[in-house]
Amino acid sequence: GAGVSQSPSNKVTEKGKDVELRCDPISGHTALYWYRQSLGQGLEFLIYFQGNSAPDKSGLPSDRFSAERTGGSVSTLTIQRTQQEDSAVYLCASSPLRDTGELFFGEGSRLTVL
Amino acid sequence: AQKVTQAQTEISVVEKEDVTLDCVYETRDTTYYLFWYKQPPSGELVFLIRRNSFDEQNEISGRYSWNFQKSTSSFNFTITASQVVDSAVYFCALSTRRRALTFGSGTRLQVQP
Repeated sequence: GAGVSQSPSNKVTEKGKDVELRCDPISGHTALYWYRQSLGQGLEFLIYFQGNSAPDKSGLPSDRFSAERTGGSVSTLTIQRTQQEDSAVYLCASSPLRDTGELFFGEGSRLTVL
Repeated sequence: AQKVTQAQTEISVVEKEDVTLDCVYETRDTTYYLFWYKQPPSGELVFLIRRNSFDEQNEISGRYSWNFQKSTSSFNFTITASQVVDSAVYFCALSTRRRALTFGSGTRLQVQP
């Protein structure tokens, strides 16, 4: 079936506004990850969902960031009161296996905060 | 702590040269998994390989080979007879049962024709 789908692919917003980024994982994948990649940088882990377990939020950079995963499928990453340093590509990935599986990445949502 | 270090920020080679990308990892877990991903200019990350900590056998896939050495906590990646299409950023990554996949900072490989 389809791969990991993310929307929007590009988002430009003004500083202080809230944004929502959506991720549709591959059907049947129990694990879902959010990463952030700033220009020319590596991937920074944000949050990890595994089935019905409590998510691992250890990578969220501040309380302005939150994420939820509804029905064990679609996930939304919300950034409140955006700052310029939030500008990055936000990557979602899903995996069929707990903890150790290969991750399938979406194409990312590029966020630009003016 | 769980950490992946890719000391080589950028490597430039001429087509047909062999090139090795270094990866050193740190973890307290005895069970872990190591990965390599490729990010071409198009931006989408592509999975290349996964190894578990109990399998130190080296692996070869076409022009790609991986050398896993627990004694030095390294998982190096060699491309033989490099091609222009190999130009990309390559990420090494580590996962354990307790922590999600941790990526290194990446090595940008430029293969010149």
